[in-house]
Amino acid sequence: DTEVTQTPKHLVMGMTNKKSLKCEQHMGHRAMYWYKQKAKKPPELMFVYSYEKLSINESVPSRFSPECPNSSLLNLHLHALQPEDSALYLCASSHGTSGGNAGELFFGEGSRLTVL
Amino acid sequence: GQNIDQPTEMTATEGAIVQINCTYQTSGFNGLFWYQQHAGEAPTFLSYNVLDGLEEKGRFSSFLSRSKGYSYLLLKELQMKDSASYLCAEKSNAGKSTFGDGTTLTVKP
Repeated sequence: DTEVTQTPKHLVMGMTNKKSLKCEQHMGHRAMYWYKQKAKKPPELMFVYSYEKLSINESVPSRFSPECPNSSLLNLHLHALQPEDSALYLCASSHGTSGGNAGELFFGEGSRLTVL
Repeated sequence: GQNIDQPTEMTATEGAIVQINCTYQTSGFNGLFWYQQHAGEAPTFLSYNVLDGLEEKGRFSSFLSRSKGYSYLLLKELQMKDSASYLCAEKSNAGKSTFGDGTTLTVKP
């Protein structure tokens, strides 16, 4: 069983809806990530939080809004999405972002998003 | 993935050995990861290299040459369950991991 929990596992939303994806880890990791993965493609980094502060935003459109309420939780708020945003959204955590294999990523099972 | 190259597909026979190569850009390099991803599942960590040489972990080994910007993942005694996508990921000094496009390995009886 993964130690990174994501909810919901599946989400269908219209282009005018507002929804949120949630991610939780209790491994004491201080870095958390959002990745987007399309079919037969590798995960693409969206955001990195380090010690609850946003450290990397890979030029993600503002219709995706991340939030890190505390060191164990990471949310991704979705608003006015497009059909091309349909993908698997993976949350990951790591001990840190630097220093040896501290960057090993522990992935959740993902939230499969369909935008109609 | 940007500046990370690995073969798209490979096929091997059960019980055999297969080597999956990966080349990456060397500037800002801070480590090389290999992940396994089965269809419909999340990636799982296999190995990490930051110094030159071979890291062995059971049936899986990973090699790194920093000067050449080159790594490989070696899978021995292949099993059917090893059929999956294998992702090479470079970690940068900025702390982010960038994935290659992945190599889809098919193990045949």
